[in-house]
Amino acid sequence: DQQVKQNSPSLSVQEGRISILNCDYTNSMFDYFLWYKKYPAEGPTFLISISSIKDKNEDGRFTVFLNKSAKHLSLHIVPSQPGDSAVYFCAASYNNNDMRFGAGTRLTVKP
Amino acid sequence: EAQVTQNPRYLITVTGKKLTVTCSQNMNHEYMSWYRQDPGLGLRQIYYSMNVEVTDKGDVPEGYKVSRKEKRNFPLILESPSPNQTSLYFCASSPGSGNTIYFGEGSWLTVV
Repeated sequence: DQQVKQNSPSLSVQEGRISILNCDYTNSMFDYFLWYKKYPAEGPTFLISISSIKDKNEDGRFTVFLNKSAKHLSLHIVPSQPGDSAVYFCAASYNNNDMRFGAGTRLTVKP
Repeated sequence: EAQVTQNPRYLITVTGKKLTVTCSQNMNHEYMSWYRQDPGLGLRQIYYSMNVEVTDKGDVPEGYKVSRKEKRNFPLILESPSPNQTSLYFCASSPGSGNTIYFGEGSWLTVV
């Protein structure tokens, strides 16, 4: 039973536009959420996180939004760049327990 | 440089031939874990370890063993590999189980 779901396996965006990656979760106990980015032939790398006490966290071009009532989080990349093309994994954990990952969304940013 | 190192990076083996994928981290992290990545399923945890001599099953432990004799090392053992264990494997470490995880570069394993 996947507790973290990324329903879009892929997303294609034009350079300079906004990329929005979505993630839904089922466990209302999750209190810490992260996004990881993965390039081919490399391990996933941490991108940005948000605690459940916040609804937004921003880091440069990357912003994560959390909607606890909808059990939904999203990652916004503005403006998107070709170097952002990668697979993005959403992850969640609670009470310092183990992290659960989504299936990933492959983002392609076209020049 | 802080890193998680796993070996081998690529391996093709035959069904039933025991193999070990090594993992080492130089960040003095207490928590280490193994994941497998499969299409459409994302990253699924195989085993994790909270500290030396403390290991526990993740979501998909069947067919795997681990050991944590030293803090820095966390090998993944496939006693009798089968084709359904063909996957991309990642070792990871973090200061604590709920903290940011640092991943190795991955090990492609093919069992024929």
